Amino acid sequence: EVQLVQSGAEVKKPGESLKISCKGSGYTFTTYWIGWVRQMPGKGLEWMGIIYPGDSDATYSPSFQGQVTISADKSISTAYLQWSSLKASDTAMYYCARAAVGSSVRYGMDVWGQGTTVTVSS
Amino acid sequence: QSALTQPPSASGSPGQSVTISCTGTSSDVGVYNYVSWYQQHPGKAPKLMIYEVSKRPSGVPDRFSGSKSGNTASLTVSGLQAEDEADYYCNSYAGSNNWGVFGTGTKVTVL
Repeated sequence: EVQLVQSGAEVKKPGESLKISCKGSGYTFTTYWIGWVRQMPGKGLEWMGIIYPGDSDATYSPSFQGQVTISADKSISTAYLQWSSLKASDTAMYYCARAAVGSSVRYGMDVWGQGTTVTVSS
Repeated sequence: QSALTQPPSASGSPGQSVTISCTGTSSDVGVYNYVSWYQQHPGKAPKLMIYEVSKRPSGVPDRFSGSKSGNTASLTVSGLQAEDEADYYCNSYAGSNNWGVFGTGTKVTVL
C-alpha cells in the first residue's frame, strides 16, 4: 500500500525550532515529487513548497520562501519541513502529499499524509 | 500568485446536481489544462477527485465530473449523496516557477 505517514502533533513556544517528517512507503520514494501544504484553523489549503527526493531539488512558494526549509533523506524515504524560529501564526495543520505522476506535480497529488498539527503558544 | 476564486458555499438535495466554479486567470486556469479538484471532509486529509480538468483517479465515482471554459474550471457532482458533503478545493498549475495555486474552497451542503 502506498502511503505517507507524518510525525505526531507538536506544541511549541514562539521562537523554538521544529522539524516535522513525512515518511513514504509502498513506492519508489526518490522518483515522486512531495509537496507540503498548510491549512490554518478554519481556513483553506496553501502550497508551501515541493521537493524531489531523488536530488533534493526544492522550490518554495513566495509566501514561505525564507520562512521554512524543506528537505529529504532518501535513505530513509522521509521528507521534512522545518522552522528555525516559530511564530504563533505558524499554528496550523500541515500536510505532505505525493505527486500523482512522479515527474511533475501538475497532474495533482494523489496520496496525502494524515497531517501534523502544530500549535505555537506561549 | 493569488488564490483561485470559488464560491464559499453550494448546496443541493440528495439526488440533485451541484456545480462549483473555480475562476483563475490567463496565467493559470486559462492557459493550462492542469486543473485538479480535492475533496476534504472535516478533520481529514484532502482527496484527489479530478485531475487534468476532467480525469478521475481510480475509485472516484463517475458522479464527479470536471470541465473548463476560458479562465473558469468547474466541478459537477451529480446524484448528490450525503457523503458528498465536504469542502472542495480546485488547484491549477501555473508554470514551472509556479507549480500550483489552490482555490479559496467551497463548502458543499447536502440538504
